[in-house]
Amino acid sequence: DVKVTQSSRYLVKRTGEKVFLECVQDMDHENMFWYRQDPGLGLRLIYFSYDVKMKEKGDIPEGYSVSREKKERFSLILESASTNQTSMYLCASSPHGGGTDTQYFGPGTRLTVL
Amino acid sequence: EDQVTQSPEALRLQEGESSSLNCSYTVSGLRGLFWYRQDPGKGPEFLFTLYSAGEEKEKERLKATLTKKESFLHITAPKPEDSATYLCAVRSNAGNMLTFGGGTRLMVKP
Repeated sequence: DVKVTQSSRYLVKRTGEKVFLECVQDMDHENMFWYRQDPGLGLRLIYFSYDVKMKEKGDIPEGYSVSREKKERFSLILESASTNQTSMYLCASSPHGGGTDTQYFGPGTRLTVL
Repeated sequence: EDQVTQSPEALRLQEGESSSLNCSYTVSGLRGLFWYRQDPGKGPEFLFTLYSAGEEKEKERLKATLTKKESFLHITAPKPEDSATYLCAVRSNAGNMLTFGGGTRLMVKP
């Protein structure tokens, strides 16, 4: 079974803090993704990566950065957290090509910025 | 721009009362349509991928079907444990990203 894990289920931070959200997948997938999910707005893509050290902006990259130094790990960084970044953050991974490109999701991190 | 619309937004069923959830989409070349189940406070759990019109897939009480404009998730004789939000997403030939619908929140009463 595909397993995607996220470093924290719940996180509470203060405005202005630097926040790191970590995601690890164990299926040797090339693609990794970060989404945020908010009531009424659905899932929105923040960034994705299709290879080590490669990244692409999604729909809402402002206020976020990412890092992918190893294939299995994809980090989301909030340089200076703000209250409007309070949300559920979801990481996903998928293989590249091979006829199947289903994204598999982690359990999510509920981030609250005070 | 790819678009996905799910209906209804919420659906209340009695246990055993079969129904269908709809996912309408517009996409420039469909590469795949995906159904996920999401329980409150958890990440989406993959259910099905459909690739071409006419394709059907089944898992327990769920069956997903696909036409050129929409997909249906049929739920036969649902149980309370089927209560969840069901998400539909599409991927076009243009890139790696999924476009998600807003989801249908299903509540099954015993």
